[in-house]
Amino acid sequence: QPVLTQPTSLSASPGASARFTCTLRSGINVDTYRIYWYQQEPGSLPRYLLRYKSDSDKQQGSGVPSRFSGSKDASTNAGLLLISGLQSEDEADYYCAIWYSSTWVFGGGTKLTVL
Amino acid sequence: QVQLQQSGPGLVKPSQTLSLTCAISGDSVSSNRVAWSWIRQSPSRGLEWLGRTYYRSKWYNDYAVSVKSRITINPDTSKNRFSLQLNSVTPEDTAVYYCAREYDWNYDYWGQGTLVTVSS
Repeated sequence: QPVLTQPTSLSASPGASARFTCTLRSGINVDTYRIYWYQQEPGSLPRYLLRYKSDSDKQQGSGVPSRFSGSKDASTNAGLLLISGLQSEDEADYYCAIWYSSTWVFGGGTKLTVL
Repeated sequence: QVQLQQSGPGLVKPSQTLSLTCAISGDSVSSNRVAWSWIRQSPSRGLEWLGRTYYRSKWYNDYAVSVKSRITINPDTSKNRFSLQLNSVTPEDTAVYYCAREYDWNYDYWGQGTLVTVSS
């Protein structure tokens, strides 16, 4: 079982909200980790969006709008990325990552379609 | 402004060594505030972190378990760059390879990417 699991795809309408999940493998407690989120638009380099561990330990990436936010769902052991007010330019792949056992681990990514 | 410029061959034969270099401008490979990493991306494996080198009074390396027996990342202070060597490559190592700067636990600057194909 992978360390981080993300749904392959997600679709939402312009102006709506999108909720991305990043589920940690059983036995790896989401409360312990900072969850990092990256966006990769087609043909572009990954871009750091934000990190979230708790409301007192979070960071927004440089120039990243406040409509991008992080959270956690302890009941499902998942980190969450929330995008409100979806725009067509938000269509991209979104990756989560954690620093685990002295290595960076990325999730498989979720492709967001805005339609 | 930090810039990372990658160089190296785009085609490597199976069982040979993949070698890439990442030249740094706007920062120092010896900075004690950052780390310098290699990350690859393929349709089958997504984003995969390979390893990093960093200086904190001495040089350190961290490597992904999946490639630990085959990888070397070296700094070159004389030319302000760092390199990746991946030995005994197979077609599964075919990917776009990126160098990247890790600052404050996130990757803020990336190289342009190099598509490396492993094929005879």
